[in-house]
Amino acid sequence: EPEVTQTPSHQVTQMGQEVILRCVPISNHLYFYWYRQILGQKVEFLVSFYNNEISEKSEIFDDQFSVERPDGSNFTLKIRSTKLEDSAMYFCASSLQGQHQPQHFGDGTRLSIL
Amino acid sequence: SQQGEEDPQALSIQEGENATMNCSYKTSINNLQWYRQNSGRGLVHLILIRSNEREKHSGRLRVTLDTSKKSSSLLITASRAADTASYFCATDAWGNTGKLIFGQGTTLQVKP
Repeated sequence: EPEVTQTPSHQVTQMGQEVILRCVPISNHLYFYWYRQILGQKVEFLVSFYNNEISEKSEIFDDQFSVERPDGSNFTLKIRSTKLEDSAMYFCASSLQGQHQPQHFGDGTRLSIL
Repeated sequence: SQQGEEDPQALSIQEGENATMNCSYKTSINNLQWYRQNSGRGLVHLILIRSNEREKHSGRLRVTLDTSKKSSSLLITASRAADTASYFCATDAWGNTGKLIFGQGTTLQVKP
């Protein structure tokens, strides 16, 4: 069964550094999402992406965050200047046909900011 | 406002018993989805129920939706040790771009 894959599985970064989290969505999916889950808390929506542009973003997704689909397969989340509070699990998800459909999640990247 | 609040927060049952988890939400929805998360893994989609549906089945799973009470329940029948996981409801509102709003989840432990 097709899967969403995320790399790396664990990223350790010094505060203030830039990180790029990578995702390969399911190949024929058109809608892409990033979520995060701070330890012990809810999964929180960050951003949705369709047709090479952001469809919606949350309050969390401020100017330090950006997303990109640099080619036909990868979908990346960049955090420009990381803060301690960015430490979390980051999940990528994709869906086939528009909103209001099941989303398929990767196993996440655990981001640890020191 | 909080969406998709589940209860109980934790549930421990014996294998073979049924497990029921409840979810409440606050705003109008297009659909409500249930996901499972095994420790250290991503979320796995279990079932989606649309706002015009009242009940849906998938294998040992039964989901109900009461839009008048803004609540949903997930029933797992004849539970197995492999069902041990966290279960989340997620609401998908009208007009959104598929953004899911998750609850805190119910941690289910099924003892063999």
